[in-house]
Amino acid sequence: GESVGLHLPTLSVQEGDNSIINCAYSNSASDYFIWYKQESGKGPQFIIDIRSNMDKRQGQRVTVLLNKTVKHLSLQIAATQPGDSAVYFCAETENTGNQFYFGTGTSLTVIP
Amino acid sequence: NAGVMQNPRHLVRRRGQEARLRCSPMKGHSHVYWYRQLPEEGLKFMVYLQKENIIDESGMPKERFSAEFPKEGPSILRIQQVVRGDSAAYFCASSPSASLEQYFGPGTRLTVT
Repeated sequence: GESVGLHLPTLSVQEGDNSIINCAYSNSASDYFIWYKQESGKGPQFIIDIRSNMDKRQGQRVTVLLNKTVKHLSLQIAATQPGDSAVYFCAETENTGNQFYFGTGTSLTVIP
Repeated sequence: NAGVMQNPRHLVRRRGQEARLRCSPMKGHSHVYWYRQLPEEGLKFMVYLQKENIIDESGMPKERFSAEFPKEGPSILRIQQVVRGDSAAYFCASSPSASLEQYFGPGTRLTVT
């Protein structure tokens, strides 16, 4: 399978600070990317997605940045809250509707 | 609109037994995906099905594993003659079409003793 990896396995931030979670991918043909949040004992929850024809996409308190030149994806969470504590996965696919390749995950801990 | 449902949530099987995992997609979704997750790892794709058809099973082990998505009823992931290495969380996801985000169920945690 393709390599989708994360730079940091764990991240701790103070409540109210901004969080940045990074992800590298190796398949230059990947054209669709998703960030998922997974809380302990639960299934992954969709956060935000971005297609390869975009560089940036914003949601509620979250922003995804895509740098196709260096094959890098990041998730920015503004004003991080305790409820944001979870494992975050990036996933990418070359052909939508088929398999997604998931990274190992980054565990985000928010310190009150 | 209920989300993706999986049952059982926890399943314990002895080596050599069969495990059957069920997944009911979201209403209106005809595309189902199965993933396996080992502890502290990402999800690994297993199989992608549409109603009555297997579209992509490239991630499925060649032996002991099978999946189906019948015209009526849930999708079933079946593992025959389970071994300890099959212990993992198995997640099902569904989507309304072959595009866009996949919605995940809560998973079935299989423990093989």
